[in-house]
Amino acid sequence: AQSVTQPDIHITVSEGASLELRCNYSYGATPYLFWYVQSPGQGLQLLLKYFSGDTLVQGIKGFEAEFKRSQSSFNLRKPSVHWSDAAEYFCASVNTGNQFYFGTGTSLTVIP
Amino acid sequence: DADVTQTPRNRITKTGKRIMLECSQTKGHDRMYWYRQDPGLGLRLIYYSFDVKDINKGEISDGYSVSRQAQAKFSLSLESAIPNQTALYFCATSDWGHTIGYTFGSGTRLTVV
Repeated sequence: AQSVTQPDIHITVSEGASLELRCNYSYGATPYLFWYVQSPGQGLQLLLKYFSGDTLVQGIKGFEAEFKRSQSSFNLRKPSVHWSDAAEYFCASVNTGNQFYFGTGTSLTVIP
Repeated sequence: DADVTQTPRNRITKTGKRIMLECSQTKGHDRMYWYRQDPGLGLRLIYYSFDVKDINKGEISDGYSVSRQAQAKFSLSLESAIPNQTALYFCATSDWGHTIGYTFGSGTRLTVV
């Protein structure tokens, strides 16, 4: 069965430091892959998506993610974290059957 | 106005009561979804609908029902609420090709006491 795994439940980084959030998927073919961010009390907002082509995708708010087929990964990165990036981050995939699968989320804390 | 609007934003109800959560969208998307979010469990799909005449169960549909009243409206009902249905509920829409992924509403925080 298809699934998405986010190994890190919670991450703390200092403001200005780099960030990498991990995401692994299990699916035979290349799925569509997404990263969403959820600020407290808000719905989920799309950060970026990967469908095909260039494996490094750019998103909003300075985020990027790299698809690595060999590692079944789609990790989210940001070179310099801002305090406003503190939020919950969800990785998701959708297969050819158009079924979405979400990871359990990674909570990001940013310390001054 | 938001693309996907959920009402109410917050609700406290008693065990055994019937409650309806409503969702409306202005995206013009055919596909609509209901998810619940619980800490540590991520988002779990309750029901989804690919058009007005199409209703499908998700992974946790027991205790819930839905109605797709129009392309733009998709409501979720708890026929007899129980405390373990206390959660944050999200409605979402998508286009056929998932070109923009999901568009989420702001959520309904439901507490069953």
